[in-house]
Amino acid sequence: SQTIHQWPATLVQPVGSPLSLECTVEGTSNPNLYWYRQAAGRGLQLLFYSVGIGQISSEVPQNLSASRPQDRQFILSSKKLLLSDSGFYLCAWRRPAGYTFGSGTRLTVV
Amino acid sequence: GQQLNQSPQSMFIQEGEDVSMNCTSSSIFNTWLWYKQDPGEGPVLLIALYKAGELTSNGRLTAQFGITRKDSFLNISASIPSDVGIYFCAGQLWGNQFYFGTGTSLTVIP
Repeated sequence: SQTIHQWPATLVQPVGSPLSLECTVEGTSNPNLYWYRQAAGRGLQLLFYSVGIGQISSEVPQNLSASRPQDRQFILSSKKLLLSDSGFYLCAWRRPAGYTFGSGTRLTVV
Repeated sequence: GQQLNQSPQSMFIQEGEDVSMNCTSSSIFNTWLWYKQDPGEGPVLLIALYKAGELTSNGRLTAQFGITRKDSFLNISASIPSDVGIYFCAGQLWGNQFYFGTGTSLTVIP
């Protein structure tokens, strides 16, 4: 079956610490994958998208980076977290009928 | 990127009432999607619309693709407490990236 997994579900990290969020897709090949951030439970801000291994497009300049080391793996990273990086991070997989989202990661930077 | 405006931003309604919300764009789209996000979860696709004027239902939910192709509408009949969440519209033009609306937060009071 085709599914999308995202972990961890919640994360509390100190300012200045590194970050790694992982997203994997099952049951398909060469998916288009996206990272979104949602602040305060409202709008979705597109951070990165990837159409294939090693291909990353960034929508906004920021403290974060993304990588696509494998066909069905998409990773969101930071070398040093800022307080403003707190939020709800969503991985999404673009399918013909639209996006399928992961269950999200609640990141709190303290 | 494209800006999709959703209205209203927030709604507080009594259980059993009907709900109407809309999404407008400055550009035309050929696909409209409506998502619901439960608290702490990723958005889930509710309804997809592919043709101007199209009216599609999913249980108590009905969505319409506006004639101008610049707007879409979502109605929920006889609301229940589990309808609470944030509702997002998303628009796409000819296989390009989907753009998400700003969201409508719905609270249903028992």
